[in-house]
Amino acid sequence: SAVISQKPSRDICQRGTSLTIQCQVDSQVTMMFWYRQQPGQSLTLIATANQGSEATYESGFVIDKFPISRPNLTFSTLTVSNMSPEDSSIYLCSVDAHGGEKLFFGSGTQLSVL
Amino acid sequence: KNQVEQSPQSLIILEGKNCTLQCNYTVSPFSNLRWYKQDTGRGPVSLTIMTFSENTKSNGRYTATLDADTKQSSLHITASQLSDSASYICVVSAIGGYKLSFGAGTTVTVRA
Repeated sequence: SAVISQKPSRDICQRGTSLTIQCQVDSQVTMMFWYRQQPGQSLTLIATANQGSEATYESGFVIDKFPISRPNLTFSTLTVSNMSPEDSSIYLCSVDAHGGEKLFFGSGTQLSVL
Repeated sequence: KNQVEQSPQSLIILEGKNCTLQCNYTVSPFSNLRWYKQDTGRGPVSLTIMTFSENTKSNGRYTATLDADTKQSSLHITASQLSDSASYICVVSAIGGYKLSFGAGTTVTVRA
């Protein structure tokens, strides 16, 4: 299995500030995914991060708001920029290991924006 | 419209009892279906994964079934324990793509 370390686990932030979430995987993976989970709702894919190329964003998500870095095959960051209370959610990173057979998630970042 | 619908939205059961959660999907062409358990404040953890040819798969007290013809799956929890209190999420993937379709989850509360 893949072990994903995600931090911070939670944070309370002021409106207008930015927060960077980090995910470290214990093995090399080609694709890393960032999800948002709003209260009581399904997980929504924000973007797919590939090493060495720009992240691919889903409809409704833009790079200026959610810049992503993927400097190597084991690490990625997601920044939530210029936060507003509507950004309060759980943010999760995940990797698809074992040729797509297994999907592993980080422990999540509970973000509250005041 | 979400391609994965789960029911019920939530349920409460007494410790030791069984329960069954439902997942209906419209994702096509179907590749596989996964059930995840998500404890409060944690990331989802995989319980089972089933492909088109698999009808049932067990993981301890969790048993998942799949009917690919009717596009339905269920997750049965046997002899529930307090630690089973969590959200259970059904996730379906299509052939040829990495994008997954997530259900909204069923919140299970087990009471002593």
